[in-house]
Amino acid sequence: AQSVTQLDSQVPVFEEAPVELRCNYSSSVSVYLFWYVQYPNQGLQLLLKYLSGSTLVKGINGFEAEFNKSQTSFHLRKPSVHISDTAEYFCAVSRGATNKLIFGTGTLLAVQP
Amino acid sequence: ETGVTQSPTHLIKTRGQQVTLRCSSQSGHNTVSWYQQALGQGPQFIFQYYREEENGRGNFPPRFSGLQFPNYSSELNVNALELDDSALYLCASSGPRGTQYFGPGTRLTVL
Repeated sequence: AQSVTQLDSQVPVFEEAPVELRCNYSSSVSVYLFWYVQYPNQGLQLLLKYLSGSTLVKGINGFEAEFNKSQTSFHLRKPSVHISDTAEYFCAVSRGATNKLIFGTGTLLAVQP
Repeated sequence: ETGVTQSPTHLIKTRGQQVTLRCSSQSGHNTVSWYQQALGQGPQFIFQYYREEENGRGNFPPRFSGLQFPNYSSELNVNALELDDSALYLCASSGPRGTQYFGPGTRLTVL
């Protein structure tokens, strides 16, 4: 069975500072990895995904993530955050591209002026 | 915008009632997945439909049921509502490449 751990429930950061949101997963098989963002009172928006190939994945809004198989991690990074990046971020894993998504508990990114 | 729509936006029911939530998938997508997101938690997989057949189910009781129609839209039905069913219900559609795109959700409150 797969599982996802997001160790940080909340990450406060000042505007224009860099940020890293951590995600670790466990699985006995190869997985696909995703980051979704959820703005208040909205659904989930796909930020980026890793299916195969290059371990550095670039997504929307300047975010990127690096797949590290040996450390079973898929951390999300942004070099300079904006107030508008304040939202809940969810890491998710699936066994196949069409299979169910297993989500972490989320990390609230709180960007302060 | 993902092209996935859900209705209604909000819903208030009382314990023991039944509810039906609806989802229209993105054009070209033949798979619909439903998730329950309780307050402060990540979404939990309920079930998935592919070409009108159930294609996987999470750890939810049988009173959670679904349908997918020939146009690939879908319904989630919940019978005998309980207080713990209060949550945001998310629908996601996916096509051949598998990436799931989510709708805005339906907020269900059970009193």
